[in-house]
Amino acid sequence: GENVEQHPSTLSVQEGDSAVIKCTYSDSASNYFPWYKQELGKGPQLIIDIRSNVGEKKDQRIAVTLNKTAKHFSLHITETQPEDSAVYFCAASGVDYGQNFVFGPGTRLSVLP
Amino acid sequence: NAGVTQTPKFQVLKTGQSMTLQCAQDMNHNSMYWYRQDPGMGLRLIYYSASEGTTDKGEVPNGYNVSRLNKREFSLRLESAAPSQTSVYFCASIVTGGRYEQYFGPGTRLTVT
Repeated sequence: GENVEQHPSTLSVQEGDSAVIKCTYSDSASNYFPWYKQELGKGPQLIIDIRSNVGEKKDQRIAVTLNKTAKHFSLHITETQPEDSAVYFCAASGVDYGQNFVFGPGTRLSVLP
Repeated sequence: NAGVTQTPKFQVLKTGQSMTLQCAQDMNHNSMYWYRQDPGMGLRLIYYSASEGTTDKGEVPNGYNVSRLNKREFSLRLESAAPSQTSVYFCASIVTGGRYEQYFGPGTRLTVT
């Protein structure tokens, strides 16, 4: 089955700096890769996603890159702000909804003012 | 539009007791999921239901049962709670029509003593 690894487990950056979180997956059949942000006491919320036919996707200060050959994908947050502090999860899934989503263990991001 | 709702928010059980976690969504989603979240392990899939009337095991189904009561509701039952089931439980549903965004509920924090 699919296995998703995520690094680093914790990340501290100064406000205004960039943050990068990396994930690797094992199943070459996976073709949908979402990123979720979880704030304290809340459920995860999708922030950006990418499908395997795309190499990069941007949404304002966040971007995701995908390397299918190497089976890894990364989340990039630029101009970090204190409200970006949260736990971030990557996940991998097949394109047919209803299939398993396999999540990485999470990265706790702290943005220091 | 309340999204995904879960009850209860908190629960304390003694070993051997049973309980049902309730989940409902009002977004007309076909697929629904139950996850557990433990420190350092991300979200692990317990069961999912791709459509009304169907359920499938996820990564960690032992000790749990589910019921897809109708399209809106998906419940998770612990027949004989064990301390190893102490966790935060999240229900999620997925949007249809080409996107695969999972919407998560606020979670149920369960402690088994």
